[in-house]
Amino acid sequence: GIQVEQSPPDLILQEGANSTLRCNFSDSVNNLQWFHQNPWGQLINLFYIPSGTKQNGRLSATTVATERYSLLYISSSQTTDSGVYFCAAISFGNEKLTFGTGTRLTIIP
Amino acid sequence: EAGVAQSPRYKIIEKRQSVAFWCNPISGHATLYWYQQILGQGPKLLIQFQNNGVVDDSQLPKDRFSAERLKGVDSTLKIQPAKLEDSAVYLCASSLLSEAFFGQGTRLTVV
Repeated sequence: GIQVEQSPPDLILQEGANSTLRCNFSDSVNNLQWFHQNPWGQLINLFYIPSGTKQNGRLSATTVATERYSLLYISSSQTTDSGVYFCAAISFGNEKLTFGTGTRLTIIP
Repeated sequence: EAGVAQSPRYKIIEKRQSVAFWCNPISGHATLYWYQQILGQGPKLLIQFQNNGVVDDSQLPKDRFSAERLKGVDSTLKIQPAKLEDSAVYLCASSLLSEAFFGQGTRLTVV
């Protein structure tokens, strides 16, 4: 099945800084999602982005499907952005939604 | 639109006891997933349903775990008997064609 890798595993930033999280995947995908897991464990949908670029406020994401990676950008970080960010993907011909190991983001006031 | 509903939110049981979790997906969503998330790890797929048929259960420990989705809507996941290593958050998700949405999860502690 598809392999999904995320980097970096941990990221500590000052409030107001910008960050870039990366997701690499091993096969062509027809589904790529970014989630934020809040302190209570719920997975919050950020982007559904199998290709192209999307923006939502301070967050944006880009998926370059031909090169098999996706990037999540967070600008002007706030303490509420802290938590674990996951990407998950479904490859063509396989319906399993496979998660990466996550990036733990800590924003320091 | 209502989201994915799960219950209970928390459960503490002793090892060798049984436990069941319930999930109600978003209305009209044909695909339903159950994931296990152990502390510090990413979610791992246990079983995936398409309507009331199983698409993938390759990582479901079938000697102790079972799941069903009656009438292609609600689903239950059961563990019997539970082991200490089953302590985790159990997440249910549903999707219609592509984007998956998750419930709040059930945190299971086996003591």
